[in-house]
Amino acid sequence: NAGVTQTPKFRVLKTGQSMTLLCAQDMNHEYMYWYRQDPGMGLRLIHYSVGEGTTAKGEVPDGYNVSRLKKQNFLLGLESAAPSQTSVYFCASSYSIFAARETQYFGPGTRLLVL
Amino acid sequence: DQQVKQNSPSLSVQEGRISILNCDYTNSMFDYFLWYKKYPAEGPTFLISISSIKDKNEDGRFTVFLNKSAKHLSLHIVPSQPGDSAVYFCAASSTGNQFYFGTGTSLTVIP
Repeated sequence: NAGVTQTPKFRVLKTGQSMTLLCAQDMNHEYMYWYRQDPGMGLRLIHYSVGEGTTAKGEVPDGYNVSRLKKQNFLLGLESAAPSQTSVYFCASSYSIFAARETQYFGPGTRLLVL
Repeated sequence: DQQVKQNSPSLSVQEGRISILNCDYTNSMFDYFLWYKKYPAEGPTFLISISSIKDKNEDGRFTVFLNKSAKHLSLHIVPSQPGDSAVYFCAASSTGNQFYFGTGTSLTVIP
């Protein structure tokens, strides 16, 4: 039982490049989330999904797209990376909306540097 | 605008003493609060939660207190241990899916 895994762990991009961050969970959770963590800002929700095939915007969605084609995977895409997207990205999952009020399980994070 | 605030970026405590981490929020609609603990290079892990219908929740060495009138919650760790050294985030939500996180407090427990 790996929990929540994230790929890659670290990436350096040039401005304008694109990339996809992959999150996978093996706990059969319905809900999945993407956060970014910046110094002095805490964790901020980018997008989330309440089930396979669904996505919704969070607090800071601009510049990102997401897809949830399979229940166990949640992809975060940057179409044209900007230096302001330099951050640590965390994926999380939870069983349901009720369980979400108990806890979310977080992945180890992806550190992204945009030059 | 930061709806959940942790005004102390860092805290140092001697082993065996009490650690008190504070969190303030501005949204009176928040009715569920959590504390997460984070070690370097790892994701946050859930520590303890409290509903707005309570003013205290205890789990072993960890106790969370909620003062709704002051929009303030605190996490008490007694006794503090070196393994408690980590960054602690508080988070809050109203009905729905989205949690709002504070900026974190880095706790160092000195042996």
